[in-house]
Amino acid sequence: DAKTTQPPSMDCAEGRAANLPCNHSTISGNEYVYWYRQIHSQGPQYIIHGLKNNETNEMASLIITEDRKSSTLILPHATLRDTAVYYCIVMAAGNKLTFGGGTRVLVKP
Amino acid sequence: EPEVTQTPSHQVTQMGQEVILRCVPISNHLYFYWYRQILGQKVEFLVSFYNNEISEKSEIFDDQFSVERPDGSNFTLKIRSTKLEDSAMYFCASSEAAVGGTQYFGPGTRLLVL
Repeated sequence: DAKTTQPPSMDCAEGRAANLPCNHSTISGNEYVYWYRQIHSQGPQYIIHGLKNNETNEMASLIITEDRKSSTLILPHATLRDTAVYYCIVMAAGNKLTFGGGTRVLVKP
Repeated sequence: EPEVTQTPSHQVTQMGQEVILRCVPISNHLYFYWYRQILGQKVEFLVSFYNNEISEKSEIFDDQFSVERPDGSNFTLKIRSTKLEDSAMYFCASSEAAVGGTQYFGPGTRLLVL
């Protein structure tokens, strides 16, 4: 599976949009981009995933560049409960999830 | 909303003892996984399981580890003779399909080996 690069940390103001970048320049054509988050020591929580097209669900939006070498997770209105470590993972279907260091997001009042 | 459940939430054991961690995957899911996270470290893949067979396992998953689906609902991870370094959070996950299947995680079991 392709490697991903994420900033180690970022702060966000409560109520504002949080834009989390991820680089995956070696992604292959059959690999999906997945986003998970982990709040404290809880189990990783699925957020969203995509292959080529932008995706949106009740939690977030995922913007994938046309060349698929990078993506951005958007939390439209961050709340204090969104404070977590966010993981961008590139995975071929059916494979294991390989977690990196992620981005530690701190939402501030 | 269906969710993966795990028991126990915490387990303390003595080094050398056997432990069994239990998971109930989401009911229509066919693919099952175990991951672990040592305190302060990354989440690491241990094993995947499909159709009553191990699909893939990591280097961590040595002969001390085994997995089983003893009935239609449970998925277990057994550690035969625990070591101090097995202390970690253990997460179970399940997915409906391999192709495009999203893995959903349980809340984890915190294992402490003394």
